[in-house]
Amino acid sequence: EIVLTQSPATLSLSPGERATLSCRASHSVSNFVAWFQQKPGQAPRLLIYDTSKRATGIPTRFSGSGSGTDFTLTISSLEPEDFAVYYCQQRHTWPLLTFGPGTKVDIK
Amino acid sequence: EVQLVQSGAEVKKPGESLKISCKGSEYRFTSFWIGWVRQTPGKGLEWIGVIYPGDSDTRYSPSFQGQVTISADKSINTAYLQWDSLKASDTAVYYCARDRGDGYNFAHWGQGTLVTVSA
Repeated sequence: EIVLTQSPATLSLSPGERATLSCRASHSVSNFVAWFQQKPGQAPRLLIYDTSKRATGIPTRFSGSGSGTDFTLTISSLEPEDFAVYYCQQRHTWPLLTFGPGTKVDIK
Repeated sequence: EVQLVQSGAEVKKPGESLKISCKGSEYRFTSFWIGWVRQTPGKGLEWIGVIYPGDSDTRYSPSFQGQVTISADKSINTAYLQWDSLKASDTAVYYCARDRGDGYNFAHWGQGTLVTVSA
């Protein structure tokens, strides 16, 4: 099973700042990584798939990069609605999909 | 707009059976994969399995194989997740999700169903 680790566990930033979230896979997952955002009491929301493709309706301040085992989600300038938990997920071993443990982005 | 509407919260006792549902609308139900995800405070988000309602092709994550059953009734555009004998450790929020058309990336999600198993 491919294990995903995310860092940092918590990221404390102010609105307008840049957020850089990391996701590392225990084995190569090619470019098959997605990123989800989840707010309290809500379902996860797909932001990015296949490393760098934005899902429908996702603002351009969200971008993804990486390959192999190291991936990054960048939020170029945090908006108030961006404070949430972010999960990476790999689909390289479909149908066994796995999520990372999450990074919480909170207000500094 | 694609919608996935899940059944309401459940409170059950250990050993009881349960079937929760996920009804899809505003799209061709038989043409997209539906997946189920468990969320707990301790283990985070976990994929349970997926089903293609068009032919009922069903795949399970090894951790959940034999523990739950995923099914779908295409005549009423509804997918299901069921347990024959619940355990306290099944307490969680369960989400259904639909893929974006590529079979792999799940872009549309239900609102979640809270299942509480307690004696």
